[in-house]
Amino acid sequence: VVLTQSPGTLSLSPGEGATLSCGASQSISSHYLNWYQQKPGQAPRLLIYAASRRATGIPARFSGSGSGTDFALTISRLEPEDFAVYYCQHYDYSSTWTFGQGTKVEVK
Amino acid sequence: QVHLQESGPGLVKPSETLSLTCAVSGYSISNGFFWGWIRQPPGEGLQWIGSIYHSGSAYYNPSLQSRVAMSIDTSRNHFSLTLTSVTAADTAIYYCARADVGSGSYHFDSWGPGTVVAVSS
Repeated sequence: VVLTQSPGTLSLSPGEGATLSCGASQSISSHYLNWYQQKPGQAPRLLIYAASRRATGIPARFSGSGSGTDFALTISRLEPEDFAVYYCQHYDYSSTWTFGQGTKVEVK
Repeated sequence: QVHLQESGPGLVKPSETLSLTCAVSGYSISNGFFWGWIRQPPGEGLQWIGSIYHSGSAYYNPSLQSRVAMSIDTSRNHFSLTLTSVTAADTAIYYCARADVGSGSYHFDSWGPGTVVAVSS
């Protein structure tokens, strides 16, 4: 399964909403679709697992949705600390993990 | 709370073997979960390298499978990565992480801070 994220870069202002897309090359189970946030110089941090479940400590402004081949991460109102790179990730039944290429959310 | 810490040489010569260890604290790796390695070349995205179950069963990225091996040492509570015949393309930040099996979504819920490995003569 190949994951394609779009757009590559999203230029927005604090307070605006953001929608990041993750497309799968074939239909996948939403149970195995996860999202991470990575800030410069830091390890990735789990945001959303099983497509729509927020990880522990993740603010409610982050939400995930989707099924089949189309998934999305939505940030309702961008806070200054949300400007980062976001990755989707899939686990396959053959015990392999795949990451999308990432979407950078930058300050406009 | 689980804590992971990568260790290993920061510089490896071309054609040699890269060896890294991930020490786990706050959780016994023999209790379950998958334990994985992920890397990130400079300015690029994340690439999954491989994952090993607490039983020792290992799974690798097909693009690296011929050069990768992982092992797990439950007595020392750590797991390791070896990557043979390295080239400059293997220069990256290497992360170790825990993959949650219990939830069924196999997400990486805990990560080490990463260790920089450069391949250069």
